[in-house]
Amino acid sequence: DGGITQSPKYLFRKEGQNVTLSCEQNLNHDAMYWYRQDPGQGLRLIYYSQIVNDFQKGDIAEGYSVSREKKESFPLTVTSAQKNPTAFYLCASWGRTITGELFFGEGSRLTVL
Amino acid sequence: GQQVMQIPQYQHVQEGEDFTTYCNSSTTLSNIQWYKQRPGGHPVFLIQLVKSGEVKKQKRLTFQFGEAKKNSSLHITATQTTDVGTYFCAEPKGNDKIIFGKGTRLHILP
Repeated sequence: DGGITQSPKYLFRKEGQNVTLSCEQNLNHDAMYWYRQDPGQGLRLIYYSQIVNDFQKGDIAEGYSVSREKKESFPLTVTSAQKNPTAFYLCASWGRTITGELFFGEGSRLTVL
Repeated sequence: GQQVMQIPQYQHVQEGEDFTTYCNSSTTLSNIQWYKQRPGGHPVFLIQLVKSGEVKKQKRLTFQFGEAKKNSSLHITATQTTDVGTYFCAEPKGNDKIIFGKGTRLHILP
């Protein structure tokens, strides 16, 4: 089955630790995205990548880093510089089809203690 | 930052009542998308509207795109408990990225 896999689903970390969230897709999509979701805030764009070895900052990139070494993979690192990292993180890919839809993973819920 | 404003933020309706959420932009939109996120789930694409004045229906859901392409609405007729969730409008920015509104959370009272 084609889709997007995010892991882990739940993650607890101590303050000051870096955390890497995994996102893998087998949809052969060029574009991949990371969004952050907080209650009442909707989805805010963190980083996105149109092609391998290239990525751009979204609206709230501070305290986050990404890499795009393979088409299938777009991991997100939440660094200790992120002031309020507890959130629900969603990875998505975009195949630029006629319908133009984003396909989302099931999300990773990060709690920093 | 976000340019699509979505209202209301929350809506409680009795089961069987209708529901509408609105999405507004200060600039002309090339097209607009709608997504639904069930509680505890991830957003799922519903539809994309492209043409001025476009109206599309999916069973009890009716989607409209304004004549000026600055607003859009999602209307649900005779809500059911399965309609519970958060509905987002989203603006594709060229061929580059997609920016989401803050969403409308729909609660259904039995």
